[in-house]
Amino acid sequence: AQTVTQSQPEMSVQEAETVTLSCTYDTSESNYYLFWYKQPPSRQMILVIRQEAYKQQNATENRFSVNFQKAAKSFSLKISDSQLGDTAMYFCAFMTDSGAGSYQLTFGKGTKLSVIP
Amino acid sequence: DAGITQSPRHKVTETGTPVTLRCHQTENHRYMYWYRQDPGHGLRLIHYSYGVKDTDKGEVSDGYSVSRSKTEDFLLTLESATSSQTSVYFCAISASGNTDTQYFGPGTRLTVL
Repeated sequence: AQTVTQSQPEMSVQEAETVTLSCTYDTSESNYYLFWYKQPPSRQMILVIRQEAYKQQNATENRFSVNFQKAAKSFSLKISDSQLGDTAMYFCAFMTDSGAGSYQLTFGKGTKLSVIP
Repeated sequence: DAGITQSPRHKVTETGTPVTLRCHQTENHRYMYWYRQDPGHGLRLIHYSYGVKDTDKGEVSDGYSVSRSKTEDFLLTLESATSSQTSVYFCAISASGNTDTQYFGPGTRLTVL
């Protein structure tokens, strides 16, 4: 079974600064997909970024980038130039490419990020 | 934004009563999912569907059933609600199953008294 661990229950960052959220996972699969989702106070789950394990290049989306270390099974999210609207819960999630098997997203327990003016 | 709606958005019910939550999509995606979100647990998969009338269990399926008679609708039923089923329920959709990103609906907050 896959597990996803987010070791930082809460973090804070000053507006315009950079913050990194940690995520580690455990799997025996060689091909898989990793995601970061954001959940603001509105409760909507919003995709932030996606990374395919077979790609060596780290994914980026505007101010959001990841540091994907496959050997270490680490997938951290870096938010640059933090904005007040980045205040949210952030969930790391894992999905295997197991053919006809499970399509389940396995989530970490989340990191609550507060951006301070 | 993906066209996903959930109804109702909030519901309060009593222990032992049946409850049905509805997820409706306008994207014509093949895969649909039901998750529950509880403090300290992230989101956990209840059931998913890979086509009309094709469903399978997820991690926390006990006490829940699902049905999908049309591509656009995926229903989650609690046959006899219990207080442990108080949670926020999310529906998600994806175009394909094992490689595609899942997009989430707005969620339903269910309280079982």
